[in-house]
Amino acid sequence: SQQGEEDPQALSIQEGENATMNCSYKTSINNLQWYRQNSGRGLVHLILIRSNEREKHSGRLRVTLDTSKKSSSLLITASRAADTASYFCATEPAGSGNTGKLIFGQGTTLQVKP
Amino acid sequence: DGGITQSPKYLFRKEGQNVTLSCEQNLNHDAMYWYRQDPGQGLRLIYYSQIVNDFQKGDIAEGYSVSREKKESFPLTVTSAQKNPTAFYLCASAGKGGNTIYFGEGSWLTVV
Repeated sequence: SQQGEEDPQALSIQEGENATMNCSYKTSINNLQWYRQNSGRGLVHLILIRSNEREKHSGRLRVTLDTSKKSSSLLITASRAADTASYFCATEPAGSGNTGKLIFGQGTTLQVKP
Repeated sequence: DGGITQSPKYLFRKEGQNVTLSCEQNLNHDAMYWYRQDPGQGLRLIYYSQIVNDFQKGDIAEGYSVSREKKESFPLTVTSAQKNPTAFYLCASAGKGGNTIYFGEGSWLTVV
């Protein structure tokens, strides 16, 4: 089952610009996480935001969470060519019993042009 | 180096064959997971294990089998019953009480 839907599916920007990706989900969650995947590689964890948090920062990353709208956004500021990758949101559903089971969205493909 | 090692990176399977993908972690994590990723898609959970000698089906377990005889190892067998096995397979692990999941580099399986 796919819980998350990401928007846009693809994004192309110039180096130095900001990139914003959005994620919507369907059910109550314990937390929402963002991952990055370079082409043909594994996923790398970027940031986790808990259901009782509204905003979180990590370096050039800013994540917001609106549980009333069941949505989250990932902002990458001052983008670099090396940020080119696919970005996935993943939710841990409430009541999943701390199993660590995550439900992933379909991802946003970001291209940053030098 | 600490991490998750998947092998082989590329694997070709003939029709009717079973193949096994290896996943080893030296992070001392209790939980391990197998995900499948189709081109341009997100990840779907195949199986997961929270403790040695125990595992549960995920959303798309049909045609797959796993074992968890050791904490460090969680091999996935893609059986001949899996009708569309061509995909990218990702193994992951997580520590006790932790929410962050760490991924291996993945294995590409192609049916020829």
